[in-house]
Amino acid sequence: GENVEQHPSTLSVQEGDSAVIKCTYSDSASNYFPWYKQELGKGPQLIIDIRSNVGEKKDQRIAVTLNKTAKHFSLHITETQPEDSAVYFCAANGAGNQFYFGTGTSLTVIP
Amino acid sequence: DTAVSQTPKYLVTQMGNDKSIKCEQNLGHDTMYWYKQDSKKFLKIMFSYNNKELIINETVPNRFSPKSPDKAHLNLHINSLELGDSAVYFCASSPVPGAGNIQYFGAGTRLSVL
Repeated sequence: GENVEQHPSTLSVQEGDSAVIKCTYSDSASNYFPWYKQELGKGPQLIIDIRSNVGEKKDQRIAVTLNKTAKHFSLHITETQPEDSAVYFCAANGAGNQFYFGTGTSLTVIP
Repeated sequence: DTAVSQTPKYLVTQMGNDKSIKCEQNLGHDTMYWYKQDSKKFLKIMFSYNNKELIINETVPNRFSPKSPDKAHLNLHINSLELGDSAVYFCASSPVPGAGNIQYFGAGTRLSVL
């Protein structure tokens, strides 16, 4: 089955700096890669996703890149703000139409 | 209006008890899921139902039994609760079970087994 690894597990940045979270996956058949943000006491919410026919996607301060050959994808947050502080999960779809989630990155943006 | 709602939000119970968690979605989606999030925040799928039929059943003890009375509801019943069942359980839904469909999550049910 699919195996998704995520790094780093914790990340602290100064407000205004950029944050980068990286994930690798194992199943070359995976073709959909969402990123979820989980705030304290809440469920994960989709913030951006990318499909395998695209190498990069941007949405304001958030961007995701995908390298299918190397089987890795990354989340980039620019001009970070304190409200970006949360746990971020990457995921990849696998057999049986289910998501395999990474282990999460706890991002802290220091004002 | 809450898209995916779970009840209760918190559940504290003794070992050996039987408990249920309810989930409802008002998005008109065909597919619903249950996930378990452990203390290290690891999210793992447990079950998935499409239009009331089970389509994913990961390696979960038989003590866990999902029930879907209709496609808007997916409840989780747990028998003989154990300490290791303590976790946050998330319900989610998506339009169809195909790959690439966004999953919408509920706020979670924090289960503590004493």
